[in-house]
Amino acid sequence: AQTVTQSQPEMSVQEAETVTLSCTYDTSESDYYLFWYKQPPSRQMILVIRQEAYKQQNATENRFSVNFQKAAKSFSLKISDSQLGDAAMYFCAYQLYNNDMRFGAGTRLTVKP
Amino acid sequence: DGGITQSPKYLFRKEGQNVTLSCEQNLNHDAMYWYRQDPGQGLRLIYYSQIVNDFQKGDIAEGYSVSREKKESFPLTVTSAQKNPTAFYLCASTSEDSSYNQPQHFGDGTRLSIL
Repeated sequence: AQTVTQSQPEMSVQEAETVTLSCTYDTSESDYYLFWYKQPPSRQMILVIRQEAYKQQNATENRFSVNFQKAAKSFSLKISDSQLGDAAMYFCAYQLYNNDMRFGAGTRLTVKP
Repeated sequence: DGGITQSPKYLFRKEGQNVTLSCEQNLNHDAMYWYRQDPGQGLRLIYYSQIVNDFQKGDIAEGYSVSREKKESFPLTVTSAQKNPTAFYLCASTSEDSSYNQPQHFGDGTRLSIL
C-alpha cells in the first residue's frame, strides 16, 4: 500500500523561531510530486509548497522550505521565523502521474507568542 | 472568480437514508476528487475522476457512489450502506495538463452528521 506518515501529531514553536515538520512516504513509483498543505481552523486547504521528485534541489517559498531525501523517502517542512498565523494543521501529500493523491494524518502546529 | 463550490455546508442524515453532496467547479479542471476527513485525522480518498464518465475508487469507497456526467460537477452520494458517515467531506480538482504536478484546489467542505 502506498502511504504517507507524519510521525508528529503535534508540534509547538515560539514565535520567530524555526520548526521542522517530518514526513515520510512509501511509493513504488519513481515519478511523483510532493506537497505540503496547511489547514487553519476555517478547514480550508491551502497549498504551502511543492516539490518535484525528479529534482534534487529543495523547494523554497519565502519562509517555507523542504528537505527532500528521495532515497530515504523523506520530505520535511521547515518554517523559519514562525508567525502566529502559521498555527494550523499541516498535511504532507504525494501525487502520482495518474492523479492518485494521498495525504498524511497531519501535524497540528501551535505558535506561542 | 474561479473556484470550487460545495453544498450544503452542513447536512444531516437520518438512519437508512441516502444523501448527496454537491461539488461544482468553474476552473475548467479535468480531474476531481472526494476526500473524507475525520476529527484529528488526515484526508482519505473516497473517489476520483480524471475525465467525464469515468471515475476510480480510492481507499474508502465502500458505502459511497459518485457520478461524473459533466466536467464541472462531481456529486457524492453517501448511501445507507455507509455505517459511519459522520465526517467532514472535501471536494478538490486539478488541471489535467501535467496534472500530477499541479496542486489540488479545494472547496470549503461539507460537514455531514447523523440524526
